[in-house]
Amino acid sequence: NAGVTQTPKFRVLKTGQSMTLLCAQDMNHEYMYWYRQDPGMGLRLIHYSVGEGTTAKGEVPDGYNVSRLKKQNFLLGLESAAPSQTSVYFCASSDLAFTDTQYFGPGTRLTVL
Amino acid sequence: AQSVAQPEDQVNVAEGNPLTVKCTYSVSGNPYLFWYVQYPNRGLQFLLKYITGDNLVKGSYGFEAEFNKSQTSFHLKKPSALVSDSALYFCAVPRNYQLIWGAGTKLIIKP
Repeated sequence: NAGVTQTPKFRVLKTGQSMTLLCAQDMNHEYMYWYRQDPGMGLRLIHYSVGEGTTAKGEVPDGYNVSRLKKQNFLLGLESAAPSQTSVYFCASSDLAFTDTQYFGPGTRLTVL
Repeated sequence: AQSVAQPEDQVNVAEGNPLTVKCTYSVSGNPYLFWYVQYPNRGLQFLLKYITGDNLVKGSYGFEAEFNKSQTSFHLKKPSALVSDSALYFCAVPRNYQLIWGAGTKLIIKP
């Protein structure tokens, strides 16, 4: 099992450009999450999904959109990138609710110039 | 509101010595508490969690954590540190629909 995978691993964007980050999990988990990690701030939840076809806003959703068309995939989109979105992005999944163990992908390092 | 705090940005320990990484919590009701570890340039990995029952929770890589209700703490411990334990450690608590994360503690184990 690959667990949780993320593509790409690194990306540099110019302000105003758009991109999509892909997360895939092969554990048949219902819940999936997108976080951003910034120095000294821990992890902050951007969006999450409790099942195929569902998405919901987390703590810091502005500037991001998500989709979960297939159970195993969770996409994070940036429509018009801003320097404030420079961060490391992690995807995670869990079998049950937020009290269950989360399994993380390796992360995507995004720089917006 | 549910929250966790990690009062130390960095902890330095000599190899072979015991280590403690501190976490305090503010939770209403019975808490679920988690510890995760992040090795350099990697995603987070689950170490252990407290749900209920025994206050001493054993986890991966020889780590354990002690739940102390009177002190509202959930400190992570290991009897003998390894250089390979050097990493970033996070405690977390569920709140509503998400996990609330501490800011992280960088653990440095010196040979």
